[in-house]
Amino acid sequence: DTGVSQNPRHKITKRGQNVTFRCDPISEHNRLYWYRQTLGQGPEFLTYFQNEAQLEKSRLLSDRFSAERPKGSFSTLEIQRTEQGDSAMYLCASSFDPGSLGNEKLFFGSGTQLSVL
Amino acid sequence: AQSVTQLGSHVSVSEGALVLLRCNYSSSVPPYLFWYVQYPNQGLQLLLKYTSAATLVKGINGFEAEFKKSETSFHLTKPSAHMSDAAEYFCAVRNSGGYQKVTFGTGTKLQVIP
Repeated sequence: DTGVSQNPRHKITKRGQNVTFRCDPISEHNRLYWYRQTLGQGPEFLTYFQNEAQLEKSRLLSDRFSAERPKGSFSTLEIQRTEQGDSAMYLCASSFDPGSLGNEKLFFGSGTQLSVL
Repeated sequence: AQSVTQLGSHVSVSEGALVLLRCNYSSSVPPYLFWYVQYPNQGLQLLLKYTSAATLVKGINGFEAEFKKSETSFHLTKPSAHMSDAAEYFCAVRNSGGYQKVTFGTGTKLQVIP
């Protein structure tokens, strides 16, 4: 168990550029979540997957955001045409919930800090 | 819709004093409730969770929380604060049913004064 891995740790980009983040969950975890966190705030839900299926996407998320989890393994989060308001820490978490009870523990990665200039 | 409200964005206690971090939830169905902690420069980790098995839940590092349905509360306590408890604490809720998202509160930063 190597934990949830996120790459890169830091990303600086210019406004209007596209960025992609990667998350490698703990192996055999069937659920994967993306959250966004800004200073002084709690993690804000973006989207989550059960295996390869994207079950929910936040209504706060614009069409510039897209996430994938091919084959139910790693996941990528892409932001197109970045804006300064996208600057935040992007967190990935994974969990194992074979019975779909919903009470399982989330394991978080260290996050990717995005700065849009 | 599910949500949690954490009262007090910053709490300061003296070392050895009682820690009380407040969380109230809103949920249309029986909820699952969680407390996560984020130490400086580290990822969030689970302290404890309520899943309806028992109203008083014990977690790691001496923390516990009590589910009170009548007050829609899930406050986190620790009898005696330690310097190492300084961190940010997040309450979270998930509606039972399996396919709901986990919603976090805005967090409470705990400062422990020597």
